[in-house]
Amino acid sequence: DVKVTQSSRYLVKRTGEKVFLECVQDMDHENMFWYRQDPGLGLRLIYFSYDVKMKEKGDIPEGYSVSREKKERFSLILESASTNQTSMYLCASNNRGQGVDPFFGQGTRLTVV
Amino acid sequence: EDQVTQSPEALRLQEGESSSLNCSYTVSGLRGLFWYRQDPGKGPEFLFTLYSAGEEKEKERLKATLTKKESFLHITAPKPEDSATYLCAVPTPGGGADGLTFGKGTHLIIQP
Repeated sequence: DVKVTQSSRYLVKRTGEKVFLECVQDMDHENMFWYRQDPGLGLRLIYFSYDVKMKEKGDIPEGYSVSREKKERFSLILESASTNQTSMYLCASNNRGQGVDPFFGQGTRLTVV
Repeated sequence: EDQVTQSPEALRLQEGESSSLNCSYTVSGLRGLFWYRQDPGKGPEFLFTLYSAGEEKEKERLKATLTKKESFLHITAPKPEDSATYLCAVPTPGGGADGLTFGKGTHLIIQP
């Protein structure tokens, strides 16, 4: 079974904290993605990476950074968490090109208080 | 302008009552249209990819079809366990690394 695993299902953090969300895939995929999902707004792409140490901004990168030191691991970092970053965060991965469908992790529900 | 629009936003059906969900898209040069199912509090689960107009794919009570401007997800004789949010997505135009742009989803409820 293919797997994308996110380190936490639920997190509660305080405003101003530095937050790390971890994602690991075991499919040797080249691409990895971080999305956030909010009611009424759907899924929005924060950052993606197409190779180790490579990253590109998505639609809503402000307030976030990412790290990809190894092919299988992609981390999302909230430098100074704010309440408007309370959301469901979803990691996904796939290989480049047609016919390779993105697989998602189970999601991390982050609450910033 | 939204590139992917799903309708209806919500749909409530009786068990066994067949219906269709719509996904319309405005991108040109489509490189695939994706359908996902998402249960509350979980990540999206991949269902289908369609690549060309006229293509159809089936899985149990679900059948996805594609035209040049829209896709339909037909649900035949649904059961309560088919209740979920159904998402469609297309590759982001000009986006790198094959990222997806999603519609806002259709929240489907099947009542026993």
